[in-house]
Amino acid sequence: EVQLLESGGGLVQPGGSLRLSCAASGFTFSSYAMSWVRQAPGKGLEWVSGISGSGGSTYYADSVKGRFTISRDNSKNTLYLQMNSLRAEDTALYYCAKVPLDYGDRRNFFDPWGQGTLVTVSS
Amino acid sequence: SYEVTQPPSVSVSPGQTASITCSGDKLGDKYACWYQQKPGQSPVLVIYEDNKRPSGISERFSGSNSGNTATLTISGTQAMDEADYYCQAWDSSTVVFGGGTKLSVL
Repeated sequence: EVQLLESGGGLVQPGGSLRLSCAASGFTFSSYAMSWVRQAPGKGLEWVSGISGSGGSTYYADSVKGRFTISRDNSKNTLYLQMNSLRAEDTALYYCAKVPLDYGDRRNFFDPWGQGTLVTVSS
Repeated sequence: SYEVTQPPSVSVSPGQTASITCSGDKLGDKYACWYQQKPGQSPVLVIYEDNKRPSGISERFSGSNSGNTATLTISGTQAMDEADYYCQAWDSSTVVFGGGTKLSVL
């Protein structure tokens, strides 16, 4: 069974940094692209970032480009999201999700999703 | 940047058919998928590649995509189907979600 377990969320002041982790199990982690998707309280889903299986290609939403960095350690089956220069509008539940096809494939989707980790940016 | 639009809410009576739309410029030239999200839970994929159902998803869920509109159809709607539904499309290695539709089963 595929399992994704996020961690690392918490309360951080505006301008601060946080690193999220997503521990994966139940599949060959290095063979699959992965992604981060967030959901602000009471709001809809927003794609944040994605990374290829090898880690050689990364993709970002305009809203986080230059502030967030996605990475992965295939030896540890773990996905990361380094978040710098955090803003109040980054407050959200952050999900990691498995991407079943090559990242550029327009047939792509997210399945499954983790349970999420909450990031709150506030002074 | 590419955008897709969903109605904020849809209501349906139990046993009837619910249709939730997702609109975007030439969306039919892309692939649409749909997620169901119940309160306090993570999203769950219910339709991918316009009209395919993942294993374990009820046959009551179906999808279509043509022109500028993708549609999620739930036949014989049950109380358990009450949830938020999100469409999603993949555009040049970036991902677009619709704003979500709250399905009420009244």
